[in-house]
Amino acid sequence: NAGVTQTPKFQVLKTGQSMTLQCAQDMNHNSMYWYRQDPGMGLRLIYYSASEGTTDKGEVPNGYNVSRLNKREFSLRLESAAPSQTSVYFCASSEVWQGTYEQYFGPGTRLTVT
Amino acid sequence: EDQVTQSPEALRLQEGESSSLNCSYTVSGLRGLFWYRQDPGKGPEFLFTLYSAGEEKEKERLKATLTKKESFLHITAPKPEDSATYLCAVQALKLVFGQGTRLTINP
Repeated sequence: NAGVTQTPKFQVLKTGQSMTLQCAQDMNHNSMYWYRQDPGMGLRLIYYSASEGTTDKGEVPNGYNVSRLNKREFSLRLESAAPSQTSVYFCASSEVWQGTYEQYFGPGTRLTVT
Repeated sequence: EDQVTQSPEALRLQEGESSSLNCSYTVSGLRGLFWYRQDPGKGPEFLFTLYSAGEEKEKERLKATLTKKESFLHITAPKPEDSATYLCAVQALKLVFGQGTRLTINP
């Protein structure tokens, strides 16, 4: 049981390049999330998918797109990378329990845009 | 607007020296408060969920408590392996994370 996996672990892009971050979970969770973590800013939600077939914007969606490929997989795409998107990106998944959801996180992707 | 403030930002303790981390929050309609541990270069690891004031949960040397305005993460007789950043998050309509407390336990 691997939990939440993310690829790649590290990536360096030049400004204007595009890339897709991949995320998969094997816990049969309905909901999946993408966060970015920056020093002094904490974790900020980019996009989320409450269930297969749905996606919604979070706090900081500009410059990103997502695809919920199936129940297991949720990808994040940067169409034209900018230095401001240098960050650590985390994928998470959860199931609803008593109206709350305990999120389980992947190991992260460290992205540098030059 | 929902807000979460963690204090202190950083804390250094000697091995065996007990202390507490604070998570203060303002939120309408709290559904749950979560504590996570994050090691350098890793993703946050879920520790506890607290649902209502007065609730307490324990795991090894950690005990989390909840009041109507704040939560405490008590660390009893910590060991160097307890060194990590501890994150608090509150859920009302959405989940809001604090910025974390970086805890260092010196041997």
